[in-house]
Parts: sequence; structure tokens; C-alpha cells
Amino acid sequence: ILNVEQSPQSLHVQEGDSTNFTCSFPSSNFYALHWYRWETAKSPEALFVMTLNGDEKKKGRISATLNTKEGYSYLYIKGSQPEDSATYLCAFSRNTGGFKTIFGAGTRLFVKA
Amino acid sequence: DAGITQSPRYKITETGRQVTLMCHQTWSHSYMFWYRQDLGHGLRLIYYSAAADITDKGEVPDGYVVSRSKTENFPLTLESATRSQTSVYFCASSEGLASDTQYFGPGTRLTVL
Repeated sequence: ILNVEQSPQSLHVQEGDSTNFTCSFPSSNFYALHWYRWETAKSPEALFVMTLNGDEKKKGRISATLNTKEGYSYLYIKGSQPEDSATYLCAFSRNTGGFKTIFGAGTRLFVKA
Repeated sequence: DAGITQSPRYKITETGRQVTLMCHQTWSHSYMFWYRQDLGHGLRLIYYSAAADITDKGEVPDGYVVSRSKTENFPLTLESATRSQTSVYFCASSEGLASDTQYFGPGTRLTVL
């Protein structure tokens, strides 16, 4: 059974705090790891896609790292703002015997002003 | 308008009825996907399509039928709706497969009474 685990399930922080979340995935047959940002009442929007061990991506105050050998990715938000409040989804892709992308359940971030 | 659209946005139906959810994209993406979002499960893949007339099952295909006669359309049909199919359904598209970003539609909230 393929499992993508995200932790924590939810997180409450104050404006200005820096925070990070974890995505754990199977380390075998890795193809790609995606991060999406999902605001309430909207649809998921892509943040990053990473394919190589050691990849680091950055977009503004948000960055992500990837360790395919141990099967985890971190998402960091520096200086959280209320507009960062959203659910952050990671998705693990493998391509053995057919395509498979599995989404984690997400980390729900609440940033209080 | 360019992008990916879904219709209807909201649907209430009764157990046993057939329901079709529509998805349309204007990017000429090869791949299209149907997901359902349920509490505690995140996004689960129902079906996906690699091109017109090519479809394949995802994680939770039972009770659903898809077709793709044209590249831009990917309708999802619930042949005989059940209460367990009450969910929010998201359509997505991407240029390529596992390493490519998926672009999501706005979702259809389906309630089966």
C-alpha cells in the first residue's frame, strides 16, 4: 500500500512566525514530488515539483527540500502572513507498471494576524 | 475563457440516478484526471486519461465511468449514484504525466440523497 503522510495535520501560528511541514513518501520507485497550496473554496494550485534527490525550490517566502533516499520533503514558510493560511498538499508520483500519483491529506495552516 | 472548467458547480441528486459531471480544458493538455475529495482522505484519483480514447483506472474507480472522445473534454458519469459518492469532485489536466504540474478545476460539490 502506498502511503503519503503529512505532518502536522494542522498548525496555528502567529503572523511573522516561520514554520515547516513534512511530507513522507515511499523511497522506492520515486518519480516526482509535488507541493500544492489549497485555499478554502478554491482549487489546488501548484507550488513546486521536484524530481532529484537534494532538490531545493524557492518561491518568495516559501521553499521546499527533497530527500528521495529517505523519503521525505520539507516545506518551509518564512515570516508567515495571514494570506498564507491554506492547506498545503504534497503528492508523490511513481511510474512503475503504470502511472500513480498519491496525494497526502494535507497540512492545514492558520496564520493569525 | 482559457483554463479548466467544471459543470455543474453544485449538484443534488437521489440515490440510483445517473449523474454526469463535465470537465473542459482549453490548453490542449494530453492528460486529464478526476479526483474526489473526502475528509481524512485528501484527494483520491478516480480515473485518468492520457489522450482521447485512452483512459485508465485510478485508486477508487468503482461506480464511475469516464470517456474522452475529444482532447478537451473528460466527463465523469456516476451510473447509479450512491450516498457514499457524496463528495467534492475535482478535474485536473497536465501536459505530461508524473513530473508535470496538474492544473485543477474549481470543483463540483455533489450531494446524493
